[in-house]
Amino acid sequence: AQSVSQHNHHVILSEAASLELGCNYSYGGTVNLFWYVQYPGQHLQLLLKYFSGDPLVKGIKGFEAEFIKSKFSFNLRKPSVQWSDTAEYFCAVDAGFQKLVFGTGTRLLVSP
Amino acid sequence: GAVVSQHPSWVICKSGTSVKIECRSLDFQATTMFWYRQFPKQSLMLMATSNEGSKATYEQGVEKDKFLINHASLTLSTLTVTSAHPEDSSFYICSASDQDNYEQYFGPGTRLTVT
Repeated sequence: AQSVSQHNHHVILSEAASLELGCNYSYGGTVNLFWYVQYPGQHLQLLLKYFSGDPLVKGIKGFEAEFIKSKFSFNLRKPSVQWSDTAEYFCAVDAGFQKLVFGTGTRLLVSP
Repeated sequence: GAVVSQHPSWVICKSGTSVKIECRSLDFQATTMFWYRQFPKQSLMLMATSNEGSKATYEQGVEKDKFLINHASLTLSTLTVTSAHPEDSSFYICSASDQDNYEQYFGPGTRLTVT
């Protein structure tokens, strides 16, 4: 069965610091990969997705992610975080028929 | 973007009673909706896939007789937790699939507490 690992459970950064959140998945075939964000008190929102093509994917709010097939990774990055990026971030893989398998999430706290 | 609503946002019920949770896609039609469960400080776990006009498909380990799913229209899916017990207390989240862009839109979730 597919699984997703997010190694950082809690991350604390100062504003303007760079962010990289790790995500590894276990699935040998073609994958569709996603990063979702959940701001405090809000529902999950899609940050970005990868289906095929350019392995460097750009999403909303300045986020990007790089798909590295050889490493089974899909890490999320942002060059300079803002206080408003404080949220929980979930990596997910499509296990087929749009059934999403989520990682355990990373709570990001950005201090002003 | 597309909006998905859930009702109620929170509910408290007594052990042994049944609770119905509604999931609606407000501005698009969703032939497929998904129900997830999220335990505190844990990730979302897919419970079942709900297809309009057909029976739901349940994930391994999910009791279909306990978690009844009905997808009667292209904008509404319901999850009924039957004979609820305290261990059913959780956060239930639905999502609706927009087939045009292969994207899921999530509802705000329903917190169920069974006393």
